[in-house]
Amino acid sequence: NAGVMQNPRHLVRRRGQEARLRCSPMKGHSHVYWYRQLPEEGLKFMVYLQKENIIDESGMPKERFSAEFPKEGPSILRIQQVVRGDSAAYFCGGQSTNTGELFFGEGSRLTVL
Amino acid sequence: GQQLNQSPQSMFIQEGEDVSMNCTSSSIFNTWLWYKQDPGEGPVLLIALYKAGELTSNGRLTAQFGITRKDSFLNISASIPSDVGIYFCAGLTGGTSYGKLTFGQGTILTVHP
Repeated sequence: NAGVMQNPRHLVRRRGQEARLRCSPMKGHSHVYWYRQLPEEGLKFMVYLQKENIIDESGMPKERFSAEFPKEGPSILRIQQVVRGDSAAYFCGGQSTNTGELFFGEGSRLTVL
Repeated sequence: GQQLNQSPQSMFIQEGEDVSMNCTSSSIFNTWLWYKQDPGEGPVLLIALYKAGELTSNGRLTAQFGITRKDSFLNISASIPSDVGIYFCAGLTGGTSYGKLTFGQGTILTVHP
């Protein structure tokens, strides 16, 4: 996972509850990318954050989803009032500043009952 | 938005056989990346391609960046059981400082011993 740490690995929520997913990027990196993978699909870009700034959130649903990357602590992807369609694997990625290659964490798998 | 068409969707091969999969797009990409994903894990980067026409190898894996910058292929030679997994191509349109990837739908590889 090239040092990208995500937790929890698995999260179960009932419809209407909130889900919080955390990501700590590679050491020395101040940016993270969040991607979502629905079952049997490829990953889809959601949001790109640098410390205390959202750079690009064009892939994130306008409602119920939010992301932050505070000055201290991990990046948080927050999903409010979850619905069954939110069930997916959510991956956090960090990018090599030398090569541009994107490395992903192990993912957080959200199941909404 | 940009789309990558990855084929085949799935492959069933015998151990020792060679495998080939490819991705095509109507858009130009500056970088092509190939990932492998095992069940319950995050995608792991296999090969990165940076220049049109580039041919790069990583052990039994060989990948090429198409001349038109709209396609790429991945070959696996002499397959072994641990090659089983889902292979994704991904294209990067931005520079090396911007990791917004477009993923293909994936190729599911099954290797029979």
